[in-house]
Amino acid sequence: DAKTTQPTSMDCAEGRAANLPCNHSTISGNEYVYWYRQIHSQGPQYIIHGLKNNETNEMASLIITEDRKSSTLILPHATLRDTAVYYCIGGATNKLIFGTGTLLAVQP
Amino acid sequence: GAVVSQHPSWVICKSGTSVKIECRSLDFQATTMFWYRQFPKQSLMLMATSNEGSKATYEQGVEKDKFLINHASLTLSTLTVTSAHPEDSSFYICSALRPDSPLHFGNGTRLTVT
Repeated sequence: DAKTTQPTSMDCAEGRAANLPCNHSTISGNEYVYWYRQIHSQGPQYIIHGLKNNETNEMASLIITEDRKSSTLILPHATLRDTAVYYCIGGATNKLIFGTGTLLAVQP
Repeated sequence: GAVVSQHPSWVICKSGTSVKIECRSLDFQATTMFWYRQFPKQSLMLMATSNEGSKATYEQGVEKDKFLINHASLTLSTLTVTSAHPEDSSFYICSALRPDSPLHFGNGTRLTVT
């Protein structure tokens, strides 16, 4: 699995876009970039994943650089309920190794 | 809705006793499930991979005789913490591999050993 680097914490104002960066410079060609989040005392929740192309779903957008060495998760309109630890994982779906993640605090 | 169900959501047990945690895949068959452990303010740590019909594969440093995993059916994996001690108190989370889908996680089990 690719080693990922994320900022320890970030703040975002409610209603604004939250942009969470992730570096995964060692990701191999067949490894996906996955994003999960964990709200306190719950299991991780799947957000989005991608291989090369940018992806969008009802929760978020994922922007992957052309060289695939980094990506950004975008929550377009953050709400207080989006406060959580966000994990970026580079790997295969059959075995996910979690890093330390980014604690996103959405401020009112 | 939830696709992976974990039970119980929390349990308190006395030191020296054993505790069983169940992980069920809902409406799909999971040949592979994973067990994670999470200590306070830390990330999830993969403990083992549970394979239906065969022995579990444990990560380095995880004692297989202490953390017994049984994956007897395509929808159920169990983790038994044997002879639990206070240092085993943790948040245990399972996940199930659904074909053509990202990994789905249960809501975790908070184990407190007194």
